[in-house]
Amino acid sequence: EIVLTQSPGTVSLSPGERATLSCRASQTVTGNYLAWYQQKPGQAPRFLIYGASSRATGIPDRFSGSGSGTDFTLTISRLEPEDFAVYYCQVYGSSPYTFGQGTKLEIK
Amino acid sequence: EVQLLESGGGLLQPGGSLRLSCAASGFTFSYFAMAWVRQAPGKGLEWVSALSGSGDSTYHAGSVKGRFTISRDNSKNTLYLQMNFLRVEDTAVYYCAKQSGQYWGSFNDWGQGTLVIVSS
Repeated sequence: EIVLTQSPGTVSLSPGERATLSCRASQTVTGNYLAWYQQKPGQAPRFLIYGASSRATGIPDRFSGSGSGTDFTLTISRLEPEDFAVYYCQVYGSSPYTFGQGTKLEIK
Repeated sequence: EVQLLESGGGLLQPGGSLRLSCAASGFTFSYFAMAWVRQAPGKGLEWVSALSGSGDSTYHAGSVKGRFTISRDNSKNTLYLQMNFLRVEDTAVYYCAKQSGQYWGSFNDWGQGTLVIVSS
């Protein structure tokens, strides 16, 4: 079973700044089958990135994913007020479809 | 437009049973694997169960194996989660999600969730 560790736990930034969120896997993620999701309070998660670096339909291009093997990154190039939320990474190539513990992106 | 609507949540005592449903629309249901994900109050996301589009392959997290059963009725476009021997730690919002492929994949679409509270 792959364990995903996200860092930092919480990051405080201002609108317009760049956010870099990390997701580290305990073993190689086969096929780079890693996804990212955004969740705001009281809402369901929203699908952002698949295959480590491909944006889902309708996701703004300020969101980008990168990485391979065991180290992955979600970057938000210029933070908008609506981007402040919790972000989760997940492996989905085979069961168990583990999630990371999440990174909270808060307004500074 | 993909729509997923969960139902069946509620308050029950430890050791009880409950069946959750997820009504799907806006896509060819049998073509896609489906999953359940839960979120305990104030906690992160936890994958619970998944099954293939035809229902012939099922997967469960270790924390629910032997207690929860995922199933689907493709004629009714509905996903189910039968939960038995419920524990206090099963308290969570339960989301259903549509995966991107017939047997596996990313969780592309989500319902709004249904709350299950297990308490004595």
